[in-house]
Amino acid sequence: QKEVEQNSGPLSVPEGAIASLNCTYSDRGSQSFFWYRQYSGKSPELIMFIYSNGDKEDGRFTAQLNKASQYVSLLIRDSQPSDSATYLCAVRNTGTASKLTFGTGTRLQVTL
Amino acid sequence: GAVVSQHPSRVICKSGTSVKIECRSLDFQATTMFWYRQFPKQSLMLMATSNEGSKATYEQGVEKDKFLINHASLTLSTLTVTSAHPEDSSFYICSASPSAQETQYFGPGTRLLVL
Repeated sequence: QKEVEQNSGPLSVPEGAIASLNCTYSDRGSQSFFWYRQYSGKSPELIMFIYSNGDKEDGRFTAQLNKASQYVSLLIRDSQPSDSATYLCAVRNTGTASKLTFGTGTRLQVTL
Repeated sequence: GAVVSQHPSRVICKSGTSVKIECRSLDFQATTMFWYRQFPKQSLMLMATSNEGSKATYEQGVEKDKFLINHASLTLSTLTVTSAHPEDSSFYICSASPSAQETQYFGPGTRLLVL
């Protein structure tokens, strides 16, 4: 069983729409959750992190965490073609210091 | 803040040679650095955790004698791919954390091609 699961996509949304990216994790003791964006041929860049249940907003991005359901999501409002990339969900489990477990990523395509 | 650099960005070498990749945290001290490998259209695969002043911790299936890691200072970790073979061709990415409970910041990656 994969520890962090994401739908590989591609998820296609029209420009200006809301993109919703989902991630589930298996370790109920996980403490910290991260979303990274990776453009083709480039390394991942941090978008957001979230530690507490609920929503966390940063500009056009909102991370949502539900620890009871072991579910974390990323919403991108007013999607732009430049948002087209692979979005990686990462989870830091208990007892692993800063080691992260990554999902396989969801490829997002924002169409004109 | 939280900038991580890697050098070189791209390297081509002959089979059997060794290649050293450097990872530096430019504006913070990193007690822990991580080395990942990523093959085309696949996700990141953690190779090892590099701890300053101690031996690296390798993930299962990663040969520690082939992928030598040295973390001699709080701002520099190196990965040496020894006796490289074409199947070692990949995108190698490092990341660093200011402390054990903080976010990982990634370097720009090194693309290795072994001929």
